[in-house]
Amino acid sequence: DIQMTQSPSSLSASVGDRVTITCRASQSISRWLAWFQQKPGKAPKSLIYAASTLESGVPARFSGSASGTDFTLTISSLQPEDSATYYCQRYDTYPLTFGGGTKVEI
Amino acid sequence: QVHLVESGGGVVQPGTSLTLSCAASGFTFSNYGMHWVRQAPGKGLEWVAVTWSDESNKYYADSVKGRFTISRDNSKYTLYLQMNSLRVEDTAVYYCARDWANGQSGYFDYWGLGTLVTVSS
Repeated sequence: DIQMTQSPSSLSASVGDRVTITCRASQSISRWLAWFQQKPGKAPKSLIYAASTLESGVPARFSGSASGTDFTLTISSLQPEDSATYYCQRYDTYPLTFGGGTKVEI
Repeated sequence: QVHLVESGGGVVQPGTSLTLSCAASGFTFSNYGMHWVRQAPGKGLEWVAVTWSDESNKYYADSVKGRFTISRDNSKYTLYLQMNSLRVEDTAVYYCARDWANGQSGYFDYWGLGTLVTVSS
């Protein structure tokens, strides 16, 4: 199965900071990658699909990019409500796999 | 507005069975594939299973293959997960999630709130 390596596992940043989270696939997945945000005790929320397409209603400070097997989620100006755990997920083939998650603390 | 509501979780002993349900509303259920995704306490997300909109295809994670069965009743707008031979390591919150398409996409655009399954002796 294709593995997703997500880094860092946690980070602490200040309001207004630019934050970058990376996911690396063990082999090519084209752009079949999504990003999810999960707050404590809540269900995950879909943020980005196809590596860089924002879901409707997601603030424009979130963006995604891809370069080969490396994928990046960027929060351009961190806000207090962005405190959460973020997961990448590949969906090129079954079985589907997630990255290990990145906990973002403000 | 899309709503997914899971039910059926609880505390069970190892080796026993449990069936989870996911009631869907706000969209034409028969047009979409559906998934189960789980999350062990304090851990990350793990995809469990998918069924195509018409049940023509079903796939499972290796960790549950042969023990879990995903199914759906399109007339009742309900997704199911039959879990047999439960193990302590199956303890998790189980989410149902809608596939963006008929099941082929593998992208989850809506999630339920989850139901907790605890397997313990």
